[in-house]
Amino acid sequence: SQQGEEDPQALSIQEGENATMNCSYKTSINNLQWYRQNSGRGLVHLILIRSNEREKHSGRLRVTLDTSKKSSSLLITASRAADTASYFCATDFRVAGANSKLTFGKGITLSVRP
Amino acid sequence: GAGVSQSPRYKVAKRGQDVALRCDPISGHVSLFWYQQALGQGPEFLTYFQNEAQLDKSGLPSDRFFAERPEGSVSTLKIQRTQQEDSAVYLCASSLSRPWREVTDTQYFGPGTRLTVL
Repeated sequence: SQQGEEDPQALSIQEGENATMNCSYKTSINNLQWYRQNSGRGLVHLILIRSNEREKHSGRLRVTLDTSKKSSSLLITASRAADTASYFCATDFRVAGANSKLTFGKGITLSVRP
Repeated sequence: GAGVSQSPRYKVAKRGQDVALRCDPISGHVSLFWYQQALGQGPEFLTYFQNEAQLDKSGLPSDRFFAERPEGSVSTLKIQRTQQEDSAVYLCASSLSRPWREVTDTQYFGPGTRLTVL
């Protein structure tokens, strides 16, 4: 079963616009990560935010985390056609000494029109 | 440097056949994960290795699925007597994770093997 629920399921925007994607999850986490997947390719790690962080930036990416609401958002600014992909949030809850398997949502399909 | 590689990239099997999927993790990575991704869904965890030890196989859907990593490097996911519901992309990921660390290392994913069972 999947823990994360992304919203919206699909998003279509014009190049240059900002894209905001949301993720909600159900249980406590150690951190939350966002991944991108292009058609026919593997998952690429974008950004990780720890449970004690509220906001993080990486280039054109901005991610926020609200643990009280169990939600996160990913903002891509000044979108490009190359940002067209599926985006997944993944949560990680790691018990000391145990592994940190990721639990993914169903993903958001982002289309950026040139 | 080289990333995670998987082979074959595509596999078509007739129902009932056995298949073996290979994963070459990033050199030196301690942890190796297998995930299954059905069409239109996010990846779902199958199993986890720390070096050669399989520490978690809670996600394997049935006893037809078997994974190994005998020398703590290359891993093979084997599916016996394949069924149509096994059709999916199988993703392998590796991370540097050191068990004594209390933080999560990034998992690096391979391109996946798309398995189609006819």
